[in-house]
Amino acid sequence: EAQVTQNPRYLITVTGKKLTVTCSQNMNHEYMSWYRQDPGLGLRQIYYSMNVEVTDKGDVPEGYKVSRKEKRNFPLILESPSPNQTSLYFCASRDRAEKGYTFGSGTRLTVV
Amino acid sequence: QKEVEQNSGPLSVPEGAIASLNCTYSDRVSQSFFWYRQYSGKSPELIMSIYSNGDKEDGRFTAQLNKASQYVSLLIRDSQPSDSATYLCAALQGAQKLVFGQGTRLTINP
Repeated sequence: EAQVTQNPRYLITVTGKKLTVTCSQNMNHEYMSWYRQDPGLGLRQIYYSMNVEVTDKGDVPEGYKVSRKEKRNFPLILESPSPNQTSLYFCASRDRAEKGYTFGSGTRLTVV
Repeated sequence: QKEVEQNSGPLSVPEGAIASLNCTYSDRVSQSFFWYRQYSGKSPELIMSIYSNGDKEDGRFTAQLNKASQYVSLLIRDSQPSDSATYLCAALQGAQKLVFGQGTRLTINP
């Protein structure tokens, strides 16, 4: 089944403890992206990648890192999480030819 | 003006009626538009895309694009309770960035 897989689905952590949210897609898509969704602010792009080793900042990159060492994987790294990074995170991917992104199931992160 | 704007609703429609969802956009986005459906606590699901002026139909869904008025709409015919969700209008900005509206919460009343 074609899909974008994120893990974990839920995560509660403490301020300053490094964490990684994994994202993997099995559709051989070139483009991958991370979004966060917050009430009243909607979906905002954090980082994106157009191919292996090609990444760039979105609208809200502060406090996040990404890497794209393999085409299928695009992990989101929070080096020192803070409470304002409590949010619902989505990974998404799309093919170069298609224009619509396919979203993963989401990761609900709480930083206390 | 935001790149993509929607009325947040809520919009309430009786079962079997036509639900009409609207979205306006600015010059800062490209001419590729999408409608996503999002159930509470779930991920956005792509239901329609439209790139050309006019109408595009897929089952009970019709997307409409009016470039002169910078207006995109989604019509849902024969609305069902299972259509109750938040509908997100999105536009492609550049090659890789989807810009979303705030979403319209739709409730279909049996």
